[in-house]
Parts: sequence; C-alpha cells; structure tokens
Amino acid sequence: QKEVEQDPGPLSVPEGAIVSLNCTYSNSAFQYFMWYRQYSRKGPELLMYTYSSGNKEDGRFTAQVDKSSKYISLFIRDSQPSDSATYLCAMILSGGYQKVTFGIGTKLQVIP
Amino acid sequence: DADVTQTPRNRITKTGKRIMLECSQTKGHDRMYWYRQDPGLGLRLIYYSFDVKDINKGEISDGYSVSRQAQAKFSLSLESAIPNQTALYFCATSGGLPTYNEQFFGPGTRLTVL
Repeated sequence: QKEVEQDPGPLSVPEGAIVSLNCTYSNSAFQYFMWYRQYSRKGPELLMYTYSSGNKEDGRFTAQVDKSSKYISLFIRDSQPSDSATYLCAMILSGGYQKVTFGIGTKLQVIP
Repeated sequence: DADVTQTPRNRITKTGKRIMLECSQTKGHDRMYWYRQDPGLGLRLIYYSFDVKDINKGEISDGYSVSRQAQAKFSLSLESAIPNQTALYFCATSGGLPTYNEQFFGPGTRLTVL
C-alpha cells in the first residue's frame, strides 16, 4: 500500500464548477500538508500549505485536512480553464527535516 | 528570469553514456533537491543537499551521483545511463526555517535513454 493515495483522473469539469480533489494517507504521523499545481511541461508550484487539521482558504482555493480520517482535500470554486493542470498532494512528517511524500497527481481539465 | 533553472531541458542519450543535468538557483536558498517523476509513481527524491558540504541520499539514489559546486549550483550525474532512467527530472530548492518545507521547482529536464 502506498503511503499517499491519489486518483490520477483525468477529471473533466465545465467552467464555473466546484472541483474537489482528494488524497488519503496511511501514516498518522504526517503533520504538514501541501498541494502543488503542475502545468504541462512545467515544474510543480506550491499552491497551499497547511499544518495539522482544519481549513485554509486562499481566493478560490480551499485546503481541508481531516487527520482523524487521514484525508485531505483541495476545493476549487468557480473553476476556470486556466486551472487545467495536474494537482499533486504532498505531506511531511513532523519534526525537523523530513522528506516530502507526494501523491501521483490528479489531472484536471476545465472545459470552457 | 526564472528563480530555478535546469539545463538541458531535453536530452536523448544512449545506454552506457555518462550525462550530467545541471541546476542553478537565484533564490539564495541553502537547500537543494533532485527528484524524478514517472507516470503512476509520482515524484521521488534522488538526492538532497542542505549546504555545499552536506549531501544526502534520497529514496532512489542508486545509479546517480551529485555535486554541489556552490550554494547556487547542484548537478545530477548518471554515470552509465540505462533505459529505466528515462524520466522527467526536477531540481528544487527551499529556504531555512520556518519555510524549509516549501519547495520551489525548476522547469524540469526530460531525459530519454535509448
């Protein structure tokens, strides 16, 4: 079993839809949770960064962490064609430097 | 100008050849990383370096070596390339506390080993 599970998609939605992207994980020691966005032929860029449980909002993006269920989500409101990309979840154990464990990424296409 | 640059962007080579991928950064970060990305496997850490004298193996370092020539430069070498090293390679950097977990990626090098 992988430490981090993420559905690769692809996920196609119409412009303006609310998008929900999710990851589950098996290691309860993960404390830091991130979402990266990767456009085609580009490197990943950090989108959201949260510590422990709860919600974090940034514009149209909301990151949600449920540690009791070992489940994290990224919601995109009013999705735009420019949101079409691959979204990677990532997480880190607590304490000092720990390697980042990435999900395989979900490919999202927002259709105009 | 890009903060993290990688050269070359694309490379095709033959089995057994030695190749070097280079990474430079202007972010002033001490920490640098090399990852490979494969479909269905995601990003996996090859090597990481916290400063010029501190280099560490990641989860898949076999067949690779690195050199940290300066704070801003981190090179990845494949001593004798093999076809299963065909992948997308990314360099990344991160700063010190409290943001050391926030990594900034370069544009990637697409490597094909025939």
